[in-house]
Amino acid sequence: KAGVTQTPRYLIKTRGQQVTLSCSPISGHRSVSWYQQTPGQGLQFLFEYFSETQRNKGNFPGRFSGRQFSNSRSEMNVSTLELGDSALYLCASSVGTGGPYEQYFGPGTRLTVT
Amino acid sequence: AQSVAQPEDQVNVAEGNPLTVKCTYSVSGNPYLFWYVQYPNRGLQFLLKYITGDNLVKGSYGFEAEFNKSQTSFHLKKPSALVSDSALYFCAVRDPSGNFNKFYFGSGTKLNVKP
Repeated sequence: KAGVTQTPRYLIKTRGQQVTLSCSPISGHRSVSWYQQTPGQGLQFLFEYFSETQRNKGNFPGRFSGRQFSNSRSEMNVSTLELGDSALYLCASSVGTGGPYEQYFGPGTRLTVT
Repeated sequence: AQSVAQPEDQVNVAEGNPLTVKCTYSVSGNPYLFWYVQYPNRGLQFLLKYITGDNLVKGSYGFEAEFNKSQTSFHLKKPSALVSDSALYFCAVRDPSGNFNKFYFGSGTKLNVKP
């Protein structure tokens, strides 16, 4: 099976712009979660989608949003970019939600905000 | 609140020696615990998990982890380290408070295995 794929792999944006990141989960996986990874804050949970519904959201401002499509692919959007949004954004998929399901991570999208 | 702590930023070990990467957790309820490894410019790779039952869990690449409820610890171990094990290791706990996948990750421990 193909792994989790994320596009684009690298992105450079300017403050104030918006960005959309894409994630394709492993075939058959219905849960997609997003994480932000930075050297200072580590890995922080952004949100999870399961069957096109947001199941939970982390402690991030409303500028961060996401959605999931009927084929389980997911996108996350960040509006009005700030310098502090520079990070590696990781997508993870799992077969289910709310149970002992391990997550499988994509390679990430490296976002740089200038 | 749920949390995970990895007290060591870095662990150095010689190839062939046993290694331990430490993790302690704090959750309200029964924990689901995980270990992941991250190589440079890559996402995280799942190594192993503890759900219930046997306190010693075996995972990928010869790694194992020992769950200790009284000490709220879940240390990662390997009997004989390889240079290729050098990477960043993360301990994680699933938030048990609801029917969703929300994980709390430790700050990560960089493992250096010297030849």
